[in-house]
Amino acid sequence: QLQLQESGSGLVKPSQTLSLTCDVSGDSMSSGGYSWSWIRQPPGKGLEWIAYSYGSGRTYYNPSLKSPVTMSIDRSKNQFSLNVTSVTAADTAVYYCAREGAVAGTFLYWGQGILVTVSS
Amino acid sequence: EIVMTQSPATLSVSPGERATLSCRASQSVTSNVAWYQHKPGQAPRLLIYNGSTRATGIPARFSGSGSGTEFTLTISSLQSEDFAVYYCQQYLRWLSFGGGTKVEI
Repeated sequence: QLQLQESGSGLVKPSQTLSLTCDVSGDSMSSGGYSWSWIRQPPGKGLEWIAYSYGSGRTYYNPSLKSPVTMSIDRSKNQFSLNVTSVTAADTAVYYCAREGAVAGTFLYWGQGILVTVSS
Repeated sequence: EIVMTQSPATLSVSPGERATLSCRASQSVTSNVAWYQHKPGQAPRLLIYNGSTRATGIPARFSGSGSGTEFTLTISSLQSEDFAVYYCQQYLRWLSFGGGTKVEI
């Protein structure tokens, strides 16, 4: 059974960089050709996709995001990461990592989520 | 950007009753819609994809329908474990989620 687990700083100061890692266990990230994603949920709001990547330069970002984001995959460590730079209070959210399902664009496997608060 | 609008925001039902949740897309997404169930403190769970196909292990009481801009998730007979927030999502052009429908007692 594939499992995903987010880790990173739970408190980030405004204008600094939010960094998260998603560790994947139960299967190799190199098998199946699936995309890997980051999704977030601000307090009291709905879900918002941030980025997804197939690796090898094929990474796509939500054009509606205001803060610059970078996603990367490290298949040797079976993990992927997210950096959000110049964060503001609007970046406060529960952040989820996820893997694509059998149909591209759907999310079948999810991590439990990590709350990141942006505050001084 | 394709905007997904869900209604109602909150649906009050009793166990055993039928629940009908709606999702409208701002432009046609053909059948590229998925539905997720989300309980507090848990990871979201994929229920339906391609508008009407149940994901593996999803009970038959969950069904999806619709195409184009109008979609429906129906829970035929609500069980206690079905009280949660439900999101629709389109994946035709980029990805976007609806605001969610909370199904409560």
